[in-house]
Amino acid sequence: LAKTTQPISMDSYEGQEVNITCSHNNIATNDYITWYQQFPSQGPRFIIQGYKTKVTNEVASLFIPADRKSSTLSLPRVSLSDTAVYYCLGRPTSGTYKYIFGTGTRLKVLA
Amino acid sequence: EAQVTQNPRYLITVTGKKLTVTCSQNMNHEYMSWYRQDPGLGLRQIYYSMNVEVTDKGDVPEGYKVSRKEKRNFPLILESPSPNQTSLYFCASVQAGTDHNEQFFGPGTRLTVL
Repeated sequence: LAKTTQPISMDSYEGQEVNITCSHNNIATNDYITWYQQFPSQGPRFIIQGYKTKVTNEVASLFIPADRKSSTLSLPRVSLSDTAVYYCLGRPTSGTYKYIFGTGTRLKVLA
Repeated sequence: EAQVTQNPRYLITVTGKKLTVTCSQNMNHEYMSWYRQDPGLGLRQIYYSMNVEVTDKGDVPEGYKVSRKEKRNFPLILESPSPNQTSLYFCASVQAGTDHNEQFFGPGTRLTVL
């Protein structure tokens, strides 16, 4: 099965850019790479997804190299409210719905 | 409002007493899934369903059952709960037929088995 690997935790200060990298060696060829945000005692919330190169929305950017073995979530100018756990997600087989979440990266934003 | 609902939100029970956690979505999604979340282990998929009457095991299905008789509902059944099933449970749904992975999660059910 595919496995995703992320740093366990990161600290940052308000206003800084934060980059969280996930390695996913066995993501299905046709599958998107997706990132979620989770606050304590809440369900995860979709942030962004991409297939390759760069994707940007109002919340974040996602960078995926050509080999697709990793991806980097970029959060510009973080605030205290960005303190959360961030997960990258993929599927080992495209077209199925057997998802593999990693253990996530706990981001703490300091004032 | 598009949403996934779970009931109950909190439940304390005793070993061996059968329980059901309900999950319902109003987005007409084909796919639904159950996850459990434990400290240090992240989210682990228990069961998923690709459509009515179609279910399959995730990574940690032991001790759980599911059914999908209607598209909108996907209950999680613990026939004989044990303390190692104490966890935070999430239901999720997603539109099928694409390679997109945007799942919509419910608010969670915190289960304690004594």
